[in-house]
Amino acid sequence: SQQGEEDPQALSIQEGENATMNCSYKTSINNLQWYRQNSGRGLVHLILIRSNEREKHSGRLRVTLDTSKKSSSLLITASRAADTASYFCATQGGGSNYKLTFGKGTLLTVNP
Amino acid sequence: DADVTQTPRNRITKTGKRIMLECSQTKGHDRMYWYRQDPGLGLRLIYYSFDVKDINKGEISDGYSVSRQAQAKFSLSLESAIPNQTALYFCATSDYRAGGTDTQYFGPGTRLTVL
Repeated sequence: SQQGEEDPQALSIQEGENATMNCSYKTSINNLQWYRQNSGRGLVHLILIRSNEREKHSGRLRVTLDTSKKSSSLLITASRAADTASYFCATQGGGSNYKLTFGKGTLLTVNP
Repeated sequence: DADVTQTPRNRITKTGKRIMLECSQTKGHDRMYWYRQDPGLGLRLIYYSFDVKDINKGEISDGYSVSRQAQAKFSLSLESAIPNQTALYFCATSDYRAGGTDTQYFGPGTRLTVL
């Protein structure tokens, strides 16, 4: 079964606006990762946040993690048309449960 | 050259045929994975291998088999293809790090259609 669930399923914004996507999960994790997928292509890793971290930045990306609420958010600032893609969160458990479990994704459309 | 390659990129086949999808990597990673992606369902893990002698079933392994021929090669077989195996298939590799992080690197995908 899916561990992470992204919200919203689809998001449409104008270029220059910020985009926020959320991910909720059910069980304890070692880390949470965000991936991007351009239409029909392979996923590309964007950023990883460990369970003992609350916020992380990478370029125009900002990720937060609230383990008490079992949720994460991905913020893309100053969006560009090239950011149009599907975004997936993936959780990794600790101990022997170290496979990644992917959510169903958020489709982001950035209109020029 | 791409670090993770998949062949073929597209395949159309008929019900009952045996199909093999191949994955090769030059990243030197021990861990390799096969996923399928269906619209609205995200990625689901079919099989994974943590080294040449360690192969494990994922959440949807029924109807599939795998072979890890070498560290760099991991093949997925559909012994008798059926239409509901029509999907986009991805191979991935990872470099498990101390501290438990496991970032994955994906191939470009194989679009399989079973008629």
